[in-house]
Amino acid sequence: DIQMTQSPSTLSASVGDRVTITCRASQSIRSWLAWYQQKAGKAPKVLIYEASRLQGGVPSRFSGSGSGTEFTLTISSLQPDDFASYYCHQYSSYPLTFGGGTKVEI
Amino acid sequence: QVQFVQSGAEVINPGASVKVSCKASGDTLITSVIHWVRQAPGQRLEWMGWINAGNGNTKYSQNFQGRVTITRDTSATTAYMELSNLGSEDTAIYYCARDAGIVPSRFDPWGQGTLVTVSS
Repeated sequence: DIQMTQSPSTLSASVGDRVTITCRASQSIRSWLAWYQQKAGKAPKVLIYEASRLQGGVPSRFSGSGSGTEFTLTISSLQPDDFASYYCHQYSSYPLTFGGGTKVEI
Repeated sequence: QVQFVQSGAEVINPGASVKVSCKASGDTLITSVIHWVRQAPGQRLEWMGWINAGNGNTKYSQNFQGRVTITRDTSATTAYMELSNLGSEDTAIYYCARDAGIVPSRFDPWGQGTLVTVSS
């Protein structure tokens, strides 16, 4: 199985901050990576796919980069609605796997 | 725009099975691949498998050791996930989600989730 390691696990930030979350894969997944946002009690929502493509309807302050084994999700200016948990997801090979999550808190 | 409505919360005895449904509204599933993902308390999301609602083909995670079965109804409006021989470690929220690209791809949209609690 491909292991996905996210860091940090928790991140304290303020409105307006630039935030970066990292995801590392245990082997190359090329660009087959998605990022999701999950708020408490809700289902995940896709933000980014193919490592850097912005899902329709997602604000442009979200961006993704990377390929191979190292990936980042960046929020350029943190908004109150962005305080949530974020997960990376590799879909390069089966079984599909997710990172352990990053909780962004005030 | 398709949306998914899942069945309600369940409390299941250890060793029994549970079957969770995922009903599509706004569109049929006929051209969709539906994944099932679970999230145990404090744990990461875990992929369980998918079904091609058009032809019924399935693919499962070997991590469930044959305990999971995914099906759909013949009208292709509802997908089902059945998990057998439940243990306490199967207590989790179970989600269905559509594959939004060329399988496998990103998951969008997701159902609201179904809480399954395994307890005697």
